[in-house]
Amino acid sequence: DGGITQSPKYLFRKEGQNVTLSCEQNLNHDAMYWYRQDPGQGLRLIYYSQIVNDFQKGDIAEGYSVSREKKESFPLTVTSAQKNPTAFYLCASSIATGRQPQHFGDGTRLSIL
Amino acid sequence: ILNVEQSPQSLHVQEGDSTNFTCSFPSSNFYALHWYRWETAKSPEALFVMTLNGDEKKKGRISATLNTKEGYSYLYIKGSQPEDSATYLCARSSNDYKLSFGAGTTVTVRA
Repeated sequence: DGGITQSPKYLFRKEGQNVTLSCEQNLNHDAMYWYRQDPGQGLRLIYYSQIVNDFQKGDIAEGYSVSREKKESFPLTVTSAQKNPTAFYLCASSIATGRQPQHFGDGTRLSIL
Repeated sequence: ILNVEQSPQSLHVQEGDSTNFTCSFPSSNFYALHWYRWETAKSPEALFVMTLNGDEKKKGRISATLNTKEGYSYLYIKGSQPEDSATYLCARSSNDYKLSFGAGTTVTVRA
């Protein structure tokens, strides 16, 4: 089945540690996105990529980094510079236009130990 | 309106009753309005993408309308069923493809 796979489902991070969240899609979509959800808030865009080897900052990129070396993959690294990383992270992909629906993964919940 | 706003934040509806709720968004530089349904323990699922003022879309018992001039969209659920219980998200895109999401309306259908 075509879709988006995020792993792991739950992730724990120690203070000062970088962690990487995986996102893989087999939908042949050019565009991929990372969102963060906090309680009572809408999804906020961290980074997005419209094509391989290119990506742009979203609204809350500080403390995060991404890479887009392959069309299928868009990993997100939460660095130690992100002071409040505890949140639910969603990855999505779409045909590269704002008029096409985005397809979402099941999410990764990151917690600080 | 500077951001995407959804109201109410939550609502309860009796099984079989109909309901509706609102998404308000900035009308300038409008490109598209998206609706998603997010059920517990699942990933958000696209319902509609609407682009034209006055557009109406329907999927089963769920329908949506769009007013781009005044910046609002309504989502309607007719004859609510327990499986309609979910959080409904709306999102607005401008022509740079980014989506700005509202906080969602959580619908609980009571049997």
